[in-house]
Amino acid sequence: EVQLVESGGGVAPPGGSLRLSCEGSGFSFGTYSMNWVRQAPGKGLEWVSSISSRSAKTYYADSVVGRFTISRDNAKNSLFLQMNGLRDEDTAVYYCAREGYGDYQPDYWGQGTLVTVSS
Amino acid sequence: DIQMTQSPSSLSASVGDRVTITCRASQGIRNDLGWYQKKPGKAPKRLIYAASGLQSGVPSRFSGSGFGTEFNLTISSLQPDDFATYYCLQHSSYPSITFGQGTRLEIK
Repeated sequence: EVQLVESGGGVAPPGGSLRLSCEGSGFSFGTYSMNWVRQAPGKGLEWVSSISSRSAKTYYADSVVGRFTISRDNAKNSLFLQMNGLRDEDTAVYYCAREGYGDYQPDYWGQGTLVTVSS
Repeated sequence: DIQMTQSPSSLSASVGDRVTITCRASQGIRNDLGWYQKKPGKAPKRLIYAASGLQSGVPSRFSGSGFGTEFNLTISSLQPDDFATYYCLQHSSYPSITFGQGTRLEIK
């Protein structure tokens, strides 16, 4: 069974930093591209960032470029999102999502971790 | 950027009803579209891929159709477990994928 478990959410002040983690199990983690997607309170889903299977390629939404960094450690089946320069509008539940092999969209998702940016 | 417009934004229906949700793309996206179900506090669940492919394990009452700019998600006979929010997602502009704004399906 594919499982994705996020951690690292919490409260940070504007301008602060947080590092999210996602541990995958039940599949060959190092074979798949991975994504972060977020949902702000009362809002819809927004793609944040993605990384290829061996970290050769990383991509970011315009709203986070230059502030967030995606990375992974395939030996530990783990995905990360380093979030710096946090803004109020970054408050959201952050989901880790596996990209379906060859189909360019998320197929399995974690339960999410809440990030609150507040002074 | 490719914009995805879902309609309706909310929908009230009864168990056993047939419902259809529509997603329109601002430009042609072939069949590069998926549908997801989202319940509060739960992980999103993929229902449909490539516009009409049924994700493994998803009940056959869910179906998808469309190509180019207009797409539909149909639930043939609503069940109590189906009341949720539904999102379309386009990946034609991969890696910059975009979601529709969501359709909240409520019990009448």
